[in-house]
Amino acid sequence: EAQVTQNPRYLITVTGKKLTVTCSQNMNHEYMSWYRQDPGLGLRQIYYSMNVEVTDKGDVPEGYKVSRKEKRNFPLILESPSPNQTSLYFCASSLRSPTGTEAFFGQGTRLTVV
Amino acid sequence: AQTVTQSQPEMSVQEAETVTLSCTYDTSESDYYLFWYKQPPSRQMILVIRQEAYKQQNATENRFSVNFQKAAKSFSLKISDSQLGDAAMYFCAYRNQGGSEKLVFGKGTKLTVNP
Repeated sequence: EAQVTQNPRYLITVTGKKLTVTCSQNMNHEYMSWYRQDPGLGLRQIYYSMNVEVTDKGDVPEGYKVSRKEKRNFPLILESPSPNQTSLYFCASSLRSPTGTEAFFGQGTRLTVV
Repeated sequence: AQTVTQSQPEMSVQEAETVTLSCTYDTSESDYYLFWYKQPPSRQMILVIRQEAYKQQNATENRFSVNFQKAAKSFSLKISDSQLGDAAMYFCAYRNQGGSEKLVFGKGTKLTVNP
């Protein structure tokens, strides 16, 4: 089954404790990205990757890191989480195509930083 | 930068009735894609319908259809014969053709379906 898998689904952590949210896709998609969803703000892009070893900042990259060492994996790293990073996070992947294929989303990770 | 505006934070509809969700966007591009995503309480993002800007014909998927007005930069979603399972948050999204695959989302419209 074609899917994007995020882990964990829920996470509560304390300020300053490094954490990683994993994302894996099995569709051989080149493009992967991370979004955060906040009430009243919709989804905003954090980082994206056009292919292995190619990453770039989205609209709200501060406080986050990513890496793309393998095509299927795109982890999101919070080196020193702060309460303002409490949010719902989504990983998405898509096949780069001029015909505009759809983005597939993971199940979401609810992060709470206390 | 492109922007997407959903002017209705909340909407409600009676079961079996029709409801239209509004979306406007701003772009200087001529080729792009527009999407409506549904997010039920499970939080999963589900693609409802998509529209290519170069196509004049409005997209339709079963009970879901869009009214795409390119000159007005408007992309509304019509849900016919509303069902209880349609209750969700709906997001309008924009994507350029080519280049970055970034999706630009509106803030969402929460749809309630009353029995």
